[in-house]
Amino acid sequence: NAGVTQTPKFQVLKTGQSMTLQCAQDMNHNSMYWYRQDPGMGLRLIYYSASEGTTDKGEVPNGYNVSRLNKREFSLRLESAAPSQTSVYFCASSEIIRQGRPQYFGPGTRLTVT
Amino acid sequence: EDQVTQSPEALRLQEGESSSLNCSYTVSGLRGLFWYRQDPGKGPEFLFTLYSAGEEKEKERLKATLTKKESFLHITAPKPEDSATYLCAATSGNTPLVFGKGTRLSVIA
Repeated sequence: NAGVTQTPKFQVLKTGQSMTLQCAQDMNHNSMYWYRQDPGMGLRLIYYSASEGTTDKGEVPNGYNVSRLNKREFSLRLESAAPSQTSVYFCASSEIIRQGRPQYFGPGTRLTVT
Repeated sequence: EDQVTQSPEALRLQEGESSSLNCSYTVSGLRGLFWYRQDPGKGPEFLFTLYSAGEEKEKERLKATLTKKESFLHITAPKPEDSATYLCAATSGNTPLVFGKGTRLSVIA
């Protein structure tokens, strides 16, 4: 089992460019999440998908969109990148939100916006 | 609003010097308290889940405990390879995990 995989590992964008971060899990989990992690700020939830076909905003959704493509895949899109979106992005998955199950994380995407 | 606060922010220990990390939580109807380890440049790695006050979990030199207001991660006789950031998270079960900002642990040989 690969667990949670993310692509790309690194990306450099210019201000105004767009890109999509990809995430896939092979644990048959129902719920998936996108976080960003910045020094001193901890992990902040951007969007999550409790189950296939649903998505909800987290703490910092502005400037991002998501798509739950199927049960395995959950993508994060930056339509017009800004320097404030320079961060490390983590995808995670869990069996189901309501049962308080742990989340399992991918290796992260390091994004720099110049 | 659910909140998780970790202390200290950073901790420096000599090899073999036992200590504890604290995680205070304010969650209405706790459904799970989680500990993670994060190495530099990597994603958080799940360590433990605690569900009710009085519960304890152990793994090698780590032991996690839970009360009604806080959780402790006890590190016994740490080694340099235990150096990492340790994250605590909690959930009421209706929303995703709420994470603390972490404790950065350094163990010096």
